[in-house]
Amino acid sequence: AQSVTQLGSHVSVSEGALVLLRCNYSSSVPPYLFWYVQYPNQGLQLLLKYTSAATLVKGINGFEAEFKKSETSFHLTKPSAHMSDAAEYFCAVSDTRIKAAGNKLTFGGGTRVLVKP
Amino acid sequence: EPEVTQTPSHQVTQMGQEVILRCVPISNHLYFYWYRQILGQKVEFLVSFYNNEISEKSEIFDDQFSVERPDGSNFTLKIRSTKLEDSAMYFCASSPNREQYFGPGTRLTVT
Repeated sequence: AQSVTQLGSHVSVSEGALVLLRCNYSSSVPPYLFWYVQYPNQGLQLLLKYTSAATLVKGINGFEAEFKKSETSFHLTKPSAHMSDAAEYFCAVSDTRIKAAGNKLTFGGGTRVLVKP
Repeated sequence: EPEVTQTPSHQVTQMGQEVILRCVPISNHLYFYWYRQILGQKVEFLVSFYNNEISEKSEIFDDQFSVERPDGSNFTLKIRSTKLEDSAMYFCASSPNREQYFGPGTRLTVT
């Protein structure tokens, strides 16, 4: 079974400061990993994905994440926070084994980001 | 840019009633999913659908739940007899391969 742990349900950062959101996963097989963002009253938007190519993955809105197998981590960062980054962020894992039927996502609990002016 | 749409955005129903939540996935996607998020809890997988049949379902997806793709565009989730604990945000997602694209969700409130 797979699982995801996001450390910190709430993070507060100042505008212009580094954003660091932590994600650790557990998987018996090599995982695919994803970060999603949810703005208020909206659905989940894909920020970036790791699918066993480059370990440093760049996504939309200036976010990036690094896959570290030895630490079973996939932390999300952005060098300089913007007010528009205030949202909830979800890390998710899926199985890499080839399945004709598609692979479900297992989500972490989410981290709500507050950006202070 | 194509997107997944869901209707209604909010559904209020009485306990024991049937509800149908509707989704229009992105055209040419092959895999379809339903997830739910109870307030304050994690997003949970319910069911995946491929090639006109259920490919995987969670323990939550019991006999009260069913899914259909009645035509080439819609994907529906039916709850036969709603319970108070079914109150949640329900998300539909579709996927061409690995990454999943989510709709805005339907907030279901069972009273």
